[in-house]
Amino acid sequence: ETGVTQSPTHLIKTRGQQVTLRCSSQSGHNTVSWYQQALGQGPQFIFQYYREEENGRGNFPPRFSGLQFPNYSSELNVNALELDDSALYLCASSLRIQTGSTEAFFGQGTRLTVV
Amino acid sequence: AQSVAQPEDQVNVAEGNPLTVKCTYSVSGNPYLFWYVQYPNRGLQFLLKYITGDNLVKGSYGFEAEFNKSQTSFHLKKPSALVSDSALYFCAVRDRRTGGGNKLTFGTGTQLKVEL
Repeated sequence: ETGVTQSPTHLIKTRGQQVTLRCSSQSGHNTVSWYQQALGQGPQFIFQYYREEENGRGNFPPRFSGLQFPNYSSELNVNALELDDSALYLCASSLRIQTGSTEAFFGQGTRLTVV
Repeated sequence: AQSVAQPEDQVNVAEGNPLTVKCTYSVSGNPYLFWYVQYPNRGLQFLLKYITGDNLVKGSYGFEAEFNKSQTSFHLKKPSALVSDSALYFCAVRDRRTGGGNKLTFGTGTQLKVEL
């Protein structure tokens, strides 16, 4: 098991609602990334945070937003939920170094269902 | 833009036989390459990575992968498969030019089924 923990593990929301997902990084890791994994697909990069600032973003609309806290934990917020937002949301933490050669460690994910 | 192709949705192999899960990539610069495994209803578990140096990379649980620059491939291999290896395997690439960033581009995954 990695030291990355996510909460909650499962969540059901209604279309149009807002949701907040949480992630605690592995000890010593300063970078957090979020991924969306739709059923039968590979994870898609949403964005990453380093030193409490967004530091790279994938092709996701602005209603996907995030935060990183001084202890490197993170939140993913999704507003105006749509049915297509139903997916497994994965948090990954890593230690940012200049070469970018470190691997990311993933949490167990949050399964979001939008009805 | 970077991309990863895993041409096989599913690979079936008998226990004790060697296994190969294929991966090809496309990236503008030089790549960092990774393999992850996912068990049902779980997150991704890191298996191995290619950064530089020896083209044959050894990882966890007896897995290894061979980097081939000319064929832009990074196939995952294991000499003797176990039933417990049955899972979903993802290949991922990161462009070195992104520096310390963490954006991984994943393939669509290959379901490995090892049978007795």
